[in-house]
Amino acid sequence: GAVVSQHPSRVICKSGTSVKIECRSLDFQATTMFWYRQFPKQSLMLMATSNEGSKATYEQGVEKDKFLINHASLTLSTLTVTSAHPEDSSFYICSANQGMGNSPLHFGNGTRLTVT
Amino acid sequence: AQKVTQAQTEISVVEKEDVTLDCVYETRDTTYYLFWYKQPPSGELVFLIRRNSFDEQNEISGRYSWNFQKSTSSFNFTITASQVVDSAVYFCALSDKAAGNKLTFGGGTRVLVKP
Repeated sequence: GAVVSQHPSRVICKSGTSVKIECRSLDFQATTMFWYRQFPKQSLMLMATSNEGSKATYEQGVEKDKFLINHASLTLSTLTVTSAHPEDSSFYICSANQGMGNSPLHFGNGTRLTVT
Repeated sequence: AQKVTQAQTEISVVEKEDVTLDCVYETRDTTYYLFWYKQPPSGELVFLIRRNSFDEQNEISGRYSWNFQKSTSSFNFTITASQVVDSAVYFCALSDKAAGNKLTFGGGTRVLVKP
């Protein structure tokens, strides 16, 4: 079946540094991928929609200059957390849609980011 | 605007008991999709079911069953004869035509199954 791979699964970084998270669709092409953030014991909140070959669409309240999204190919989207701060510590998870319409969304295994 | 409400934040049961998770949704669209996902302690999201708004048939898959009631905007999920491995957080989610494939998640219900 369709698989979405996310890397790294865990990352610890120091304040002020940048961290890149990759999301790959392994056996299908995804023109659209989604990035979600989940704080401990909370629900998933959509951050942005990543569109292949064009700019990402950010949800209200998400800083696009802080969370850089690049979707350079049909199988890869990256999320870069720039100048990370401790409050950026969270679980980041991506999803990709296979095919047209509202087919089931496949999620990566998530990345747990800890900023010290 | 879309909204998904899971009123139960946490449910604790003893193994073999049945457990029902409630999900109530709001949308202005007549075309929409409802989902349930399981998130075990390891963090990944496991897809369980998708149901479109035109299909109100209830569904059973092994020990899992879903009850879709458009009249009450509910899409409840029942685990029959629960097992310890069912311990996880379960999320109900909604995607409507206006939002494309963007999912709006409910707050989640943590299920703890004790041996």
